[in-house]
Amino acid sequence: AQKITQTQPGMFVQEKEAVTLDCTYDTSDPSYGLFWYKQPSSGEMIFLIYQGSYDQQNATEGRYSLNFQKARKSANLVISASQLGDSAMYFCAMREAAGGTSYGKLTFGQGTILTVHP
Amino acid sequence: GAGVSQTPSNKVTEKGKYVELRCDPISGHTALYWYRQSLGQGPEFLIYFQGTGAADDSGLPNDRFFAVRPEGSVSTLKIQRTERGDSAVYLCASSSSGQERYSGANVLTFGAGSRLTVL
Repeated sequence: AQKITQTQPGMFVQEKEAVTLDCTYDTSDPSYGLFWYKQPSSGEMIFLIYQGSYDQQNATEGRYSLNFQKARKSANLVISASQLGDSAMYFCAMREAAGGTSYGKLTFGQGTILTVHP
Repeated sequence: GAGVSQTPSNKVTEKGKYVELRCDPISGHTALYWYRQSLGQGPEFLIYFQGTGAADDSGLPNDRFFAVRPEGSVSTLKIQRTERGDSAVYLCASSSSGQERYSGANVLTFGAGSRLTVL
């Protein structure tokens, strides 16, 4: 079974509109972390936002927010007021605690290509 | 340097040749990771170093792949007898647990990657 599922291969949004990128995950570990990274055409993975499994509040970081629904095992990324520079590939990733360790072994989804239209 | 540096940015080689890919992590980051990203896919974990030692090499696909980090800073990923299926972008990342804003998150900072093409 896929640990991280991103069901939207591509998404389109008008500049200044909000967009939601979907991510569902599968784990039996009670302690885990969820990450979103942006990968522009230059190839570098840029960290956007993090949500811990025990965090009570949804994470927010500027125009990025994470809609964390633990019971549904979903961690959707919401980008508000889209900009042309937001056009990129977006990856959802999960880190499981793996017996108490919390090092950065991430499992990534397949990604969603976001295109922002002027 | 300010970020994670990877060299070469592009490498084209012939099947059967030996290849080395280098990663220079952010100064002071003790943890270093290698990931491989095939076309149209998300990155896949290869190996993790804490200091000089490989703490987890479970993602290395076979014994043709090897990585070292002899002084706990720069790391080299070595691929012997390259095959066409090894063609991918090899990403290096580093992290430090000292990022207070995300204490416990252990956020990875990635380099731009080394694109390997095996002909």
